[in-house]
Amino acid sequence: GENVEQHPSTLSVQEGDSAVIKCTYSDSASNYFPWYKQELGKRPQLIIDIRSNVGEKKDQRIAVTLNKTAKHFSLHITETQPEDSAVYFCAAEVRFGAGTRLTVKP
Amino acid sequence: GAVVSQHPSWVICKSGTSVKIECRSLDFQATTMFWYRQFPKQSLMLMATSNEGSKATYEQGVEKDKFLINHASLTLSTLTVTSAHPEDSSFYICSATDARRNSGNTIYFGEGSWLTVV
Repeated sequence: GENVEQHPSTLSVQEGDSAVIKCTYSDSASNYFPWYKQELGKRPQLIIDIRSNVGEKKDQRIAVTLNKTAKHFSLHITETQPEDSAVYFCAAEVRFGAGTRLTVKP
Repeated sequence: GAVVSQHPSWVICKSGTSVKIECRSLDFQATTMFWYRQFPKQSLMLMATSNEGSKATYEQGVEKDKFLINHASLTLSTLTVTSAHPEDSSFYICSATDARRNSGNTIYFGEGSWLTVV
């Protein structure tokens, strides 16, 4: 089955800096790669997704890149703000990575 | 957007009893539903995939006789935790997809259910 690995598990950046979270997956049949933000005890909130027919997608300060050959994809957040602090999960189809706790220091 | 409703949002039950959690798609027909379990500070672990009218497909290590899943209609899936034990206490969350939508991969999540077994 699909195996998704996510790094780092924790990430601390200064406000205004960029943050990058990386994921790898194992099943070459996976075609959908969403990224979620989750608050404790609440449903995951989709922040951006990418499908296998594109290599990059951007939405304001958030961008995602996908390398299907290498089976890895990354989330990039630029100009980070304290309110970006949260737990972020990548997924390949319906299987989730372990999560990254991002802290943005003012 | 599509709405998935999950009920109850929290439940406390006694050890040895069974508890049922419902997951409903309110404005679309959910051809496929997924059930996850999430322990504190951990990721969402996929437990099983259910397709309407057929048996659920369970992930490796998930006991199908303990976690009964029924997807009898295109708008309702239920997860029953049988003979619950304290170690089953967790956050359970469902999600659904509608393959007939243009964004067929998009996953819509329920609100989640906190289960505490005492």
